[in-house]
Amino acid sequence: TQLLEQSPQFLSIQEGENLTVYCNSSSVFSSLQWYRQEPGEGPVLLVTVVTGGEVKKLKRLTFQFGDARKDSSLHITAAQPGDTGLYLCAGEETSYDKVIFGPGTSLSVIP
Amino acid sequence: DSGVTQTPKHLITATGQRVTLRCSPRSGDLSVYWYQQSLDQGLQFLIQYYNGEERAKGNILERFSAQQFPDLHSELNLSSLELGDSALYFCASSGLAGLYNEQFFGPGTRLTVL
Repeated sequence: TQLLEQSPQFLSIQEGENLTVYCNSSSVFSSLQWYRQEPGEGPVLLVTVVTGGEVKKLKRLTFQFGDARKDSSLHITAAQPGDTGLYLCAGEETSYDKVIFGPGTSLSVIP
Repeated sequence: DSGVTQTPKHLITATGQRVTLRCSPRSGDLSVYWYQQSLDQGLQFLIQYYNGEERAKGNILERFSAQQFPDLHSELNLSSLELGDSALYFCASSGLAGLYNEQFFGPGTRLTVL
């Protein structure tokens, strides 16, 4: 079974700062998704990356899939309090359509 | 609103009891996933169904079972409940199997076992 690691586990920053969170695995994924979860609610899909080296932008969020499709990063520019939440990455195993989730990065943006 | 509905939203019960959680997927989605999320364990995959058939199994205890019905709604049955089963239980659905399996999550059921 492939495992996903995320770092950092916790991140607390001031409004307006930039940040990057990472999602890593020793195995290759056919696709990788990023979700954001607010306390007590279900995760919400932000983006799916499929091609090695792919970069996708969603307003102030930039997602990158590693060239070898083993890792991904999420960069947030000028963080806002509304970005606060748990950021989860999820990789789709190449063998079949099972998706595994990382443990998440808990982000707190202080006004 | 993801289009996935879960009932009940909250459930409080005692140890040893049995409960059933219900999930209705987004219209047209054939896959349903069940997850357990607790503070110390993160989001744990339990089981996946695709068009009524079990597709993948994760860390699901033998005391737990699930099924997906012909109308595609799903139920997760938890029996002989223990204190440690207290958690948020999420259902998610996705569209075509074999593609990217982007999942759409319901609002969850918060289970408290006393």
